[in-house]
Amino acid sequence: DTAVSQTPKYLVTQMGNDKSIKCEQNLGHDTMYWYKQDSKKFLKIMFSYNNKELIINETVPNRFSPKSPDKAHLNLHINSLELGDSAVYFCASSQARGPTDTQYFGPGTRLTVL
Amino acid sequence: DAKTTQPPSMDCAEGRAANLPCNHSTISGNEYVYWYRQIHSQGPQYIIHGLKNNETNEMASLIITEDRKSSTLILPHATLRDTAVYYCIVRAYLNYGGATNKLIFGTGTLLAVQP
Repeated sequence: DTAVSQTPKYLVTQMGNDKSIKCEQNLGHDTMYWYKQDSKKFLKIMFSYNNKELIINETVPNRFSPKSPDKAHLNLHINSLELGDSAVYFCASSQARGPTDTQYFGPGTRLTVL
Repeated sequence: DAKTTQPPSMDCAEGRAANLPCNHSTISGNEYVYWYRQIHSQGPQYIIHGLKNNETNEMASLIITEDRKSSTLILPHATLRDTAVYYCIVRAYLNYGGATNKLIFGTGTLLAVQP
């Protein structure tokens, strides 16, 4: 019973292609996130959705488009892939209860752009 | 969100307590201290958080100094499976639906538990 799952686990593709990464959480949370971890292991927020509404959009190229069809899913579509997009992408979810929340992370999707 | 400073790496003998320090001298009164860890090739995992009182759960203890400018994460009996990068993060009160939801990760401390 994986709490936050991502597909695929590995993705190898050519420059210029368009690809999607899917994320699903079965925790009943209302907020979901995408983080990117680059080759130097820096982990950085990209997007956050709360109840299907975009609430955080860091300075990410508009080639990246998140889509949340419902509260349990947050997908990431990437157009015109570039070499610099190679990274591990983590999905996370949380539920606000009081002043703090705990984020639960998925296993990650390793994207390699050739 | 305030900046944190952690040593880049630490060693600990298996079975001993691991004490991981974190400096957050610019922390504000409404900011919590969170700890996450990332075991190799896995997603980050929540460990514990606190505001000003010491906290303990099944994974670890968090000791926050009285002036709140530093804290220590304690793993009481480290095992080989605790080898990971540990991140100390300070974060404002959750502004429900707002930008403070995000976690800002630093470089963390690589804890190597030795057999």
